[in-house]
This record gives sequence, C-alpha cells and structure tokens, in this order.
Amino acid sequence: GQQVMQIPQYQHVQEGEDFTTYCNSSTTLSNIQWYKQRPGGHPVFLIQLVKSGEVKKQKRLTFQFGEAKKNSSLHITATQTTDVGTYFCAGDRGAQKLVFGQGTRLTINP
Amino acid sequence: SQTIHQWPATLVQPVGSPLSLECTVEGTSNPNLYWYRQAAGRGLQLLFYSVGIGQISSEVPQNLSASRPQDRQFILSSKKLLLSDSGFYLCAWSPRQSQNEKLFFGSGTQLSVL
Repeated sequence: GQQVMQIPQYQHVQEGEDFTTYCNSSTTLSNIQWYKQRPGGHPVFLIQLVKSGEVKKQKRLTFQFGEAKKNSSLHITATQTTDVGTYFCAGDRGAQKLVFGQGTRLTINP
Repeated sequence: SQTIHQWPATLVQPVGSPLSLECTVEGTSNPNLYWYRQAAGRGLQLLFYSVGIGQISSEVPQNLSASRPQDRQFILSSKKLLLSDSGFYLCAWSPRQSQNEKLFFGSGTQLSVL
C-alpha cells in the first residue's frame, strides 16, 4: 500500500537555527498536507500543496511540493521556541483518506 | 463555527475490560469522520472512517470497532481491551462537500491499558 516516509524522526536545534523536515511517498500524490502537533496536543492543519513544484510560505515556514508530486519539505527559518512540536506530512490516498508520515519531532534549545 | 468534542481526555483500563470513546461534531452536517491512533512518539494510524450514518470502513484488522449512530456522532469501542490497545486516540472530521479537505482533530484520548 501507499507509504509516506518522513525524516528525520527527531531534530534538536539551537534557537535561531534553521530546520527542515522531508517527506517522501512511494506513489504520486494528488496533494500533500502538513500538520503541527504541540507537545500534549492534537495535530493542527498548517497547509495543503496541490500543484507540481508548488512553493508556499507562511511567515518563517516554507513548504515545497516536488515536481513529481512524490516528495515535500517544510523549512523553518530562524526557529523560535514556539516552533517546538511534531510536524507531520500527510499524503492523499483518495476516498477521503490521508496517509500520515511518522512525523519529525522538533526540540529547541533557547 | 464548527467544533469537535472528544471524551474522555484520559482513561486507564484493565486488560479485558470494554471500551467506549465518543466523539461529536457541531456546526456542520454530513461530515466525514475518522478515528486515528497514535502510539507514543509515532505517527498517526487510520483506524476507521465513515462517510455517513451506519457506514464504517476499517483500515486495519484489530480488536476495535466503530459505529456512527447519528450524523455527527462517532464511537470507538472494544469488547475486551488488550495491552497493545494503549495509545493516543484522535477523532477527526472533514467536510463532505469535496475531496482533499483538511482534517480537524479533537483533543484526543490518552488510553492506558494495564
């Protein structure tokens, strides 16, 4: 079945450093979504990418969707302590079902 | 505005006991409903989804079942819990109107089976 792999599993950075998480699918995706889960919380939707090669920005966050629509990345510039949490990508499997990556847990040293 | 309620927030149950987790959505009609499980430090595994009353699709064979007795109510159940059922259970909904819609998650239930 379709799998979505996400790396790294963990990332620890100093506040102010950049952070990137990568997502790869075994099959072409119709779209990809990104979610953030704060410690002890529930996943919250960040963004959806649909077009091949699409790039979207939300303040210090930059999201990319690969040309082949099989990979995606989330890059955070100059991390802040509020960025702490686990970031998940989720690929659309069709029929209203998303396949989530394992997530990248980001911790930050202030 | 739409809201999703999930309860209880935490639950400690002995092995072999039954389980019932409830989720309700307000402010929308005909939502798609989902149950996900998140093992400690892991990703989200889709357990069940529903596109309408009485319509349940199971993603993985397991000790759990789901029911949708009303349009905006989704229940996760088990007759006899196993140790391996421990985890963080999340209910979610998405609009029915179109595909590829984002998910809105409930606050989750932390289940510990001892």
